[in-house]
Amino acid sequence: EVQLVQSGAEVKKPGESLKISCKGSGYSFTSYWIGWVRQMPGQGLEWVAIIYPDDSDTRYSPSFQGQVTISADKSISTAYLQWGSLKASDTAMYYCARGLGVTAPRHFDYWGQGTLVTVSS
Amino acid sequence: EIVLTQSPGTLSLSPGERATLSCRASQSVSGSYLAWYQQKPGQAPRLLIYGASSGATGIPDRFSGSGSGTDFTLAISRLEPEDFAVYFCQQYGSSPLTFGGGTKVEIK
Repeated sequence: EVQLVQSGAEVKKPGESLKISCKGSGYSFTSYWIGWVRQMPGQGLEWVAIIYPDDSDTRYSPSFQGQVTISADKSISTAYLQWGSLKASDTAMYYCARGLGVTAPRHFDYWGQGTLVTVSS
Repeated sequence: EIVLTQSPGTLSLSPGERATLSCRASQSVSGSYLAWYQQKPGQAPRLLIYGASSGATGIPDRFSGSGSGTDFTLAISRLEPEDFAVYFCQQYGSSPLTFGGGTKVEIK
């Protein structure tokens, strides 16, 4: 059974750093993309970034480029999303999702349960 | 960047009725690379349709997708109680990947 299990909710202060995780199981972790999608409270879905763990091919949405860093450790089938300096506007639910496609990411067929990030002073 | 506009914003229907949701792209979506997702409150999105018209694994056949170019449609033939949710379209024909703003299907 394919599963993506994300790390727990986080409460941080503005300016702090953060790294959230997404562990894949039940499939070949290096054969699929892993992406991150943001959902702000009561809002829609926004693609943040995506990585192909086999070769670490990484793509970012222009809206998030320079604001976050995506990475993956294929030895433990885990992808990460990290911030160097959080802002209140980073408050949102972050989902990881498995992306299909070989040379480029396509749609997302399995999703994690979400990690709620709250940034407040 | 391709902007996806979904309409209507909210659709009020009764169980058993047919739902038709629209997703319009600001430019042609290459290869009809368009997907639809369903999201219920407090849950992660679920893939329904990919490639504009292919059903994802385990999705009931009352869900169907159609369209090409800039105009795409998700249809739900007969609404079941569990179908009342928010639906998002997503294009993956060009980078960056983008989502539409969503259509909420609510019980009338």
